[in-house]
Amino acid sequence: GDSVTQMEGPVTLSEEAFLTINCTYTATGYPSLFWYVQYPGEGLQLLLKATKADDKGSNKGFEATYRKETTSFHLEKGSVQVSDSAVYFCAPSGGSYIPTFGRGTSLIVHP
Amino acid sequence: NAGVTQTPKFQVLKTGQSMTLQCAQDMNHNSMYWYRQDPGMGLRLIYYSASEGTTDKGEVPNGYNVSRLNKREFSLRLESAAPSQTSVYFCASTGDLNTEAFFGQGTRLTVV
Repeated sequence: GDSVTQMEGPVTLSEEAFLTINCTYTATGYPSLFWYVQYPGEGLQLLLKATKADDKGSNKGFEATYRKETTSFHLEKGSVQVSDSAVYFCAPSGGSYIPTFGRGTSLIVHP
Repeated sequence: NAGVTQTPKFQVLKTGQSMTLQCAQDMNHNSMYWYRQDPGMGLRLIYYSASEGTTDKGEVPNGYNVSRLNKREFSLRLESAAPSQTSVYFCASTGDLNTEAFFGQGTRLTVV
């Protein structure tokens, strides 16, 4: 079945620092790839997605590129803000169609 | 557009009590899911329903039952609650294959 490996958290950064959260996956077929964000006390919501190799998903300054050759979908942001503090989940959706989530990476941004 | 609605938001149960968590979506999605979220464990799938009238076990089904009442509603039942079921429960739904999942706000359940 599908599986995801995300870097362990928490990731602690100062405001305006550069962010990378690594994600690698295994999936059957040709999956779409998603990043979700969970703010405190809320459910997960879609942050960005990519549906085919070399696609770049982007939203709110975050970006991730679908790398089929390395089965990776790393999340990046050039300058984080305190409001970006949340838990981030990488999720492939492949042949099994059931959304599969990594353990999540907690991001803490200090002023 | 309400999306996915879960009730209740919070619940405290005594060991051995039963309860049903309700979930409804208004996006005409075929597939619905129940996950639990525990610290350090991410989201683990309890049960899912690929379409109306079908349900299947996920990774951690023991102690739970589900009902896909109609296309909109997918409920999760705890027949005899145990402290190990203390968790945050999320309902989610998806439309077509490989599309994004929509989540409810979650139910924080404590079993004492």
